[in-house]
Amino acid sequence: EDKVVQSPLSLVVHEGDTVTLNCSYEVTNFRSLLWYKQEKKAPTFLFMLTSSGIEKKSGRLSSILDKKELSSILNITATQTGDSAIYLCADAGGTSYGKLTFGQGTILTVHP
Amino acid sequence: KAGVTQTPRYLIKTRGQQVTLSCSPISGHRSVSWYQQTPGQGLQFLFEYFSETQRNKGNFPGRFSGRQFSNSRSEMNVSTLELGDSALYLCASRSTGERTDTQYFGPGTRLTVL
Repeated sequence: EDKVVQSPLSLVVHEGDTVTLNCSYEVTNFRSLLWYKQEKKAPTFLFMLTSSGIEKKSGRLSSILDKKELSSILNITATQTGDSAIYLCADAGGTSYGKLTFGQGTILTVHP
Repeated sequence: KAGVTQTPRYLIKTRGQQVTLSCSPISGHRSVSWYQQTPGQGLQFLFEYFSETQRNKGNFPGRFSGRQFSNSRSEMNVSTLELGDSALYLCASRSTGERTDTQYFGPGTRLTVL
């Protein structure tokens, strides 16, 4: 069964800090790894990483996939209080689509 | 395009009752997946529907069921509610026009079982 592990489980920083969130996966048929941000309601999509697209960047957020280490990181630079959220990493593997296996999430708190 | 919508947003039920949750996917999306989110277990996959057929099922008891209609709207049903069913139930839709794993989530239904 696919397994996704995130670390740390929680993180408290101050505005302006840079943070790195980690995600490791054990999957039988890797296809893609996704990052989501969840505030009080719906998880919102951030990035999808695949074997052919191992780096993504959007503004202050960036993510890298390490296929050799079976892991991914999500970097947030110059953090803002609005970055406070749960960050979720999910694996989409197997032979069929439609199922995501999520990690426990990292709770990020950014203080002013 | 309107996002994924879920109704109701909040629900309070008592043990033994049953409940039906509804999800309308993004227009044009034909795949709908359901997830349960709890503080202890995180986000767990329940099942996925495509073209009115369940294609994938997670490790949940048979009390959890679902269906999808011809307009891609989906419903999830939980029978004989237990206290442990209290959770945020999220649905997500996915475009199947291309082979993509990206799912877009609705705001969820917060179910409380008393």
